Amino acid sequence: EVQLVESGGGLVQPGRSLRLSCAASGFTFDDYAMHWVRQAPGKGLEWVSGISWNSGNIGYADSVQGRFTISRDNAKNSLYLQMNSLRAEDTALYYCGKDMAYDSTGNIDYWGQGTLVTVSS
Amino acid sequence: QSALTQPASVSGSPGQSITISCTGTSSDVGSYNLVSWYQQHPGKAPKLMIYEFSKRPSGVSNRFSGSKSGNTASLTISGLQAEDEADYYCCSYAGSTTLVFGGGTKLTVL
Repeated sequence: EVQLVESGGGLVQPGRSLRLSCAASGFTFDDYAMHWVRQAPGKGLEWVSGISWNSGNIGYADSVQGRFTISRDNAKNSLYLQMNSLRAEDTALYYCGKDMAYDSTGNIDYWGQGTLVTVSS
Repeated sequence: QSALTQPASVSGSPGQSITISCTGTSSDVGSYNLVSWYQQHPGKAPKLMIYEFSKRPSGVSNRFSGSKSGNTASLTISGLQAEDEADYYCCSYAGSTTLVFGGGTKLTVL
């Protein structure tokens, strides 16, 4: 059974940093691209970042470019999102998602339950 | 990276069919067949319903179908059921390892 479990969310002050993690199991992690997608309270889905199977291809939404860094450790079956210079508008539930291909296609067939990030003073 | 355009809401009666549109540009929907659709019930994670604009994952009802023409993709749900009431989001590959989602459509089954 495929499982994606996010962690690392919490309350953080504006301007500070936070690192999210996603532990994957039930599939061959290093065969697939992975994504972070967020959802602000009461709002729609927003793609944040994606990474190919070997970290060779990485993309970011304009809204986080230069502040967030995605990475993965295939030996640990884990995906990460380093979030710096956090802003109030980054407040959201952050989902980890598995792509259906080794490179990003947007076909996200499995999702975690999300980890909540709240940016507030 | 502008969000794809979806109607805010659609509604239909049980047994009817509805279609949700998703309009992008020649840089995303118009350039790639990598359009996917997600269903999200309140408090739940999204679920993949359609990928590559018309393919259904295993386990998804054949009442769900997708199509694409030019810069617009569409999701059609036939034989509406109460359990179909949810939010629906389209998503397109937009080049250079980036994706873009639509704003979401709330489906109400009357």
